[in-house]
Amino acid sequence: AQTVTQSQPEMSVQEAETVTLSCTYDTSESDYYLFWYKQPPSRQMILVIRQEAYKQQNATENRFSVNFQKAAKSFSLKISDSQLGDAAMYFCAYSWYGGATNKLIFGTGTLLAVQP
Amino acid sequence: SQTIHQWPATLVQPVGSPLSLECTVEGTSNPNLYWYRQAAGRGLQLLFYSVGIGQISSEVPQNLSASRPQDRQFILSSKKLLLSDSGFYLCAWSEIGQAGYYEQYFGPGTRLTVT
Repeated sequence: AQTVTQSQPEMSVQEAETVTLSCTYDTSESDYYLFWYKQPPSRQMILVIRQEAYKQQNATENRFSVNFQKAAKSFSLKISDSQLGDAAMYFCAYSWYGGATNKLIFGTGTLLAVQP
Repeated sequence: SQTIHQWPATLVQPVGSPLSLECTVEGTSNPNLYWYRQAAGRGLQLLFYSVGIGQISSEVPQNLSASRPQDRQFILSSKKLLLSDSGFYLCAWSEIGQAGYYEQYFGPGTRLTVT
């Protein structure tokens, strides 16, 4: 069965600094997708970045980038130049095509605090 | 553009009462629809998904049921709520098509408290 593990329940970073959030996953699938979602206090789930497993190049979206290590089943999120608005719960998620639709499995989340 | 709505935003219900949460999607046709639950301090858990009208798949055994009476409407129900049904319920949609990935878009959620 597929699982997603986030081992850091809470993290803190100074404004303008860089922080890395960790995520590991377990799967026997060869074709899948990985995501980082952000959930601010409003609780709206916002997609931050996605990574296709077949792509070796790490995805980047402005200040957000990932370090995807397929063999190690590791998928970390790096936030550069942290801003106060980055404070939120961050969820790592794994998706695969389950025969009828795509399914998402989420980790338990990392609560990121940004200090001014 | 596509939008997804959920209501109510907040709900407080006594144990044993019925439940009906509604989700509607605008700006797309024949989407895949999903219900997730987020317990306090936890990640999201997929409860149900639907690939078409009247087609519902359940991911976990529970006190809840889902229905899709119209193409862009997805309803989460219960006949008798339990305390353990409390949580934050999120609806999501994605495109439907050939095998491959289609991104899921989430609604604003409903916070349910069972007292």
